Amino acid sequence: DSGVTQTPKHLITATGQRVTLRCSPRSGDLSVYWYQQSLDQGLQFLIQYYNGEERAKGNILERFSAQQFPDLHSELNLSSLELGDSALYFCASMANYGYTFGSGTRLTVV
Amino acid sequence: GQQVMQIPQYQHVQEGEDFTTYCNSSTTLSNIQWYKQRPGGHPVFLIQLVKSGEVKKQKRLTFQFGEAKKNSSLHITATQTTDVGTYFCAESQGAQKLVFGQGTRLTINP
Repeated sequence: DSGVTQTPKHLITATGQRVTLRCSPRSGDLSVYWYQQSLDQGLQFLIQYYNGEERAKGNILERFSAQQFPDLHSELNLSSLELGDSALYFCASMANYGYTFGSGTRLTVV
Repeated sequence: GQQVMQIPQYQHVQEGEDFTTYCNSSTTLSNIQWYKQRPGGHPVFLIQLVKSGEVKKQKRLTFQFGEAKKNSSLHITATQTTDVGTYFCAESQGAQKLVFGQGTRLTINP
């Protein structure tokens, strides 16, 4: 157990729908990073939050949004889903050395 | 933006053979991190290199950072079936994000 908790583990939904992925960072970590990993693709940085504030944005689509709440958990909202959004979505928090990743949410859009 | 190129994309070896993956950048890297992702798993931090020419070892794994800080390598001696997975290099860009290479998927014939 990495200490970074992601729910749900699996999600199957139809095109056009909206889903919310949840992440709780390790206790004491203020930062949350979201990454997308498509089939046979590397890890693409989406967005970072630190103590409730957005700090950096990567290749995040306008249909996607995120937020970090006062208790430091974060939610990634994906709307108007397309088949191409099917992927693994990871969140991570930054440790003293290296990043600690959650076990991910596998999203399948059908 | 900054890109980290990783080769090869795939590598299949016989158990007991050595394995090397390479990470290259056209610009100077501030640091390089290495991660391992087992099939169906999440990336797990292995090591961070910061200094020019740095070499670090973890049992059968040897990590190197080039003198010019534009390349890095991970070498596994005498692979075992437990080494199966995808190995990623990544540059940590401040506290904001990791920029990952595309990864090298290692498969092993027992």
